[in-house]
Parts: sequence; C-alpha cells; structure tokens
Amino acid sequence: SQQGEEDPQALSIQEGENATMNCSYKTSINNLQWYRQNSGRGLVHLILIRSNEREKHSGRLRVTLDTSKKSSSLLITASRAADTASYFCATDFNDYKLSFGAGTTVTVRA
Amino acid sequence: KAGVTQTPRYLIKTRGQQVTLSCSPISGHRSVSWYQQTPGQGLQFLFEYFSETQRNKGNFPGRFSGRQFSNSRSEMNVSTLELGDSALYLCASSFYRGQDGYTFGSGTRLTVV
Repeated sequence: SQQGEEDPQALSIQEGENATMNCSYKTSINNLQWYRQNSGRGLVHLILIRSNEREKHSGRLRVTLDTSKKSSSLLITASRAADTASYFCATDFNDYKLSFGAGTTVTVRA
Repeated sequence: KAGVTQTPRYLIKTRGQQVTLSCSPISGHRSVSWYQQTPGQGLQFLFEYFSETQRNKGNFPGRFSGRQFSNSRSEMNVSTLELGDSALYLCASSFYRGQDGYTFGSGTRLTVV
C-alpha cells in the first residue's frame, strides 16, 4: 500500500506539553500534508510540505520531512484542550490525490 | 469567504435506493475531490474533477459516479445502495488539483439501512 502509516495510534498528554506524531510512507512523493479532524467532522488543512523542503512552521505546529527515510513528523507545542482531535498525514504521490494514513488520536488533558 | 458547502449534512437511505450528494467549492476553486471515510477503511479517494472533467478515479465500483458543472459545483451519486456504503462522504476543493492543499467540507453522513 502507498498509504502513510502514522505512529502512535493514540496519544494522551497534559495541557502545555508537546505532542509529536510520525508518518511513514513507501514511495516518492510530490508533497505531504497534515490535516486535523474533530469528532468526525470535516478535515482542516494544517501544513503542506513539498518533497524539496525539510521543515515548515505554522504557529505552534512544526513539520519535518525526511525523504531519505520516507518519513515526516508533526510537532504541536504547548498543547491546549482545543488541540484534542485526530491528526492525519496524507501523501500526494504525484497523482493529484491524497492517500491518508489511519490517523493519530490526540487527547489533551486539562 | 465562504467555505466548502456540502448538502445534505445527514441522510438515511434504504438498501437498493440511490443517493445524490452535492458539493459547492470555495469561490475560484476549480478542483473538487471526493473521499469516503469509514471506521474500517479510513479515508479513501473516490474521484477528482477539474474543469468539468473527471481526472482521477479511486478503486470503487461503478455504482459510484460523479460530475462537475461549469460553476465548479460537483455532485456524486451512489446507485443501488448497500449497507457498506454507510460512511462520511467528504468533498475537498482546491485552486489547482490540490497543489497548495485542500479545503474540506463538513461532510455528508450517509446511513444505509
């Protein structure tokens, strides 16, 4: 399967702590995107990182991409209760469609 | 700026019936993609439309079809519904085929009984 695989499947952290989740894939990509989903609603686009980029930031989010290891990580710093959600990595294998991983469920405890 | 609008939000249908779901993309976006989300299979790609043409199709049976209109609005149709078609159907729009990421709608939750 070309789908990305996320690790861990679930994560529980205290408010204020950092959360890190990882995504691995198997073949060359055009770009990799991270999305958030709250309670079975629509997906919210977080960050897109292209294959020639190594790191991107957006607010409290930091994404890295290592194409030699075919992996990416998403770091959420200083987590808040509102960050409780499922996070998905999605890969574009140069075919204008996204292949999603199974997601990481993040729970932020007050 | 209005987001991606999907209608209806919820739908209950009986096996064997057909259903049509609608998606209005963000103004100016010309690409619309559809995804199915189920607990068992996760998020799976259904179709991609750009400039009224289907550019990509996922691995779904012919009962699943779609189209895009000249105003970029899109519809997807599922005929002869099966219990396994129960899912959240998500529409995603982008300016050009997702090259800058996608904006997703809130989805249509279809339940087949």
